[in-house]
Amino acid sequence: EVQLVQSGAEVKKPGESLKISCKGSGYSFTSYWIGWVRQMPGKGLEWMGIIWPGDSDTRYSPSFQGHVTISADKSITTAYLQWSSLKASDTAMYYCARQDYYDSSGRPSKYFHHWGQGTLVTVSS
Amino acid sequence: DIVMTQTPLSSPVTLGQPASISCTSSQSLVHSDGNTYLSWLQQRPGQPPRLLIYKISNRFSGVPDRFSGSGAGTNFTLKISRVEAEDVGLYYCTQTTQFPYTFGQGTKLEIK
Repeated sequence: EVQLVQSGAEVKKPGESLKISCKGSGYSFTSYWIGWVRQMPGKGLEWMGIIWPGDSDTRYSPSFQGHVTISADKSITTAYLQWSSLKASDTAMYYCARQDYYDSSGRPSKYFHHWGQGTLVTVSS
Repeated sequence: DIVMTQTPLSSPVTLGQPASISCTSSQSLVHSDGNTYLSWLQQRPGQPPRLLIYKISNRFSGVPDRFSGSGAGTNFTLKISRVEAEDVGLYYCTQTTQFPYTFGQGTKLEIK
């Protein structure tokens, strides 16, 4: 069974650093893109970036480039999202998701079906 | 970036009645491989998103057949033939044709 299990909720102060995780299991971790999505309180979904754990090829959405770092450790099948200096505006739920390039019939699909449960990050002084 | 615009942003619907959500992209979502990578996701309160429809009209495994998707190019629609209580939540279109991937603003489906 494919699973993406995210690390637990975090409460941090502005200026602190943070690294949250997304552990994949039940599939070949290095063969699927992993994406990160932000959902600010009461707001919609935003793609932050994606990573190919096989070689750590990473792509950032322009809004998030330079503000977060996406990484992966294929030896422990885990993807990460990290901040070096948090702001109150980083308060949000963060989801990881796996991109399937092909559907069950082998046709190109590029959909995100498997999602983590989400990690709530609260940044407050 | 491709901008995805959903309408309406809120949709009060009577149980058993149909519902429709539109999604328009700022540019064509046709990929160089000829496919259009437009998906619809449902997000129930307190839960992560759930894939309903992919490549415009392909219903994902386990999704009730009252959900259907249609459209082409830059205009897409999600339809629910008969709304049930469990359909309450937020609905998002998303394009994965071109990075950066983008979502629509979301449409809140609620029962009248």
